[in-house]
Amino acid sequence: SQKIEQNSEALNIQEGKTATLTCNYTNYSPAYLQWYRQDPGRGPVFLLLIRENEKEKRKERLKVTFDTTLKQSLFHITASQPADSATYLCALDIASAGNMLTFGGGTRLMVKP
Amino acid sequence: DAGITQSPRHKVTETGTPVTLRCHQTENHRYMYWYRQDPGHGLRLIHYSYGVKDTDKGEVSDGYSVSRSKTEDFLLTLESATSSQTSVYFCAIRDTGLDGYTFGSGTRLTVV
Repeated sequence: SQKIEQNSEALNIQEGKTATLTCNYTNYSPAYLQWYRQDPGRGPVFLLLIRENEKEKRKERLKVTFDTTLKQSLFHITASQPADSATYLCALDIASAGNMLTFGGGTRLMVKP
Repeated sequence: DAGITQSPRHKVTETGTPVTLRCHQTENHRYMYWYRQDPGHGLRLIHYSYGVKDTDKGEVSDGYSVSRSKTEDFLLTLESATSSQTSVYFCAIRDTGLDGYTFGSGTRLTVV
């Protein structure tokens, strides 16, 4: 089955720095990969989608890369702010019937002022 | 979240009782999903639907059933609740395969 690994340890960074989160996967080649943000007590919120034939995607201060050879995606938040503190989830879609997403366990990001 | 609501938000129930959670959308999206989220396991798919009366099992479907008689409603039923089903349940919707999911606010279910 698909295995998705995200660093379970919290990432602590200083405000203004760039946060980089990693998502590694095994076994399948997903059609595309998504990143979500989840705040405590809330449902995940969709941030970005990147397709298998795209190397990089940007949205405001967010940047996602997708390396299908390494089976890895990197999620960057530039000029990080305390408001960026949350858990970030990556999710893979293998384009199977039902368009189901498989989620990683998430990485908690703490941005300190 | 806008366009998707879950009810109830919190529920405590006794082992062995049936429980139904409701997900309602106003977006007319085709796809609807039920996930559970537990510490150490992340989000795991229980069941999903790709249209009215069209449903299928996900990764952790044992002990759960679903129904979708209308586009806007997707019901998750625990036929006989067990303590292992204590969890936070999220419903999600999606319009096409290229969209992100929109999640509801979740239902925190405790089985005692």
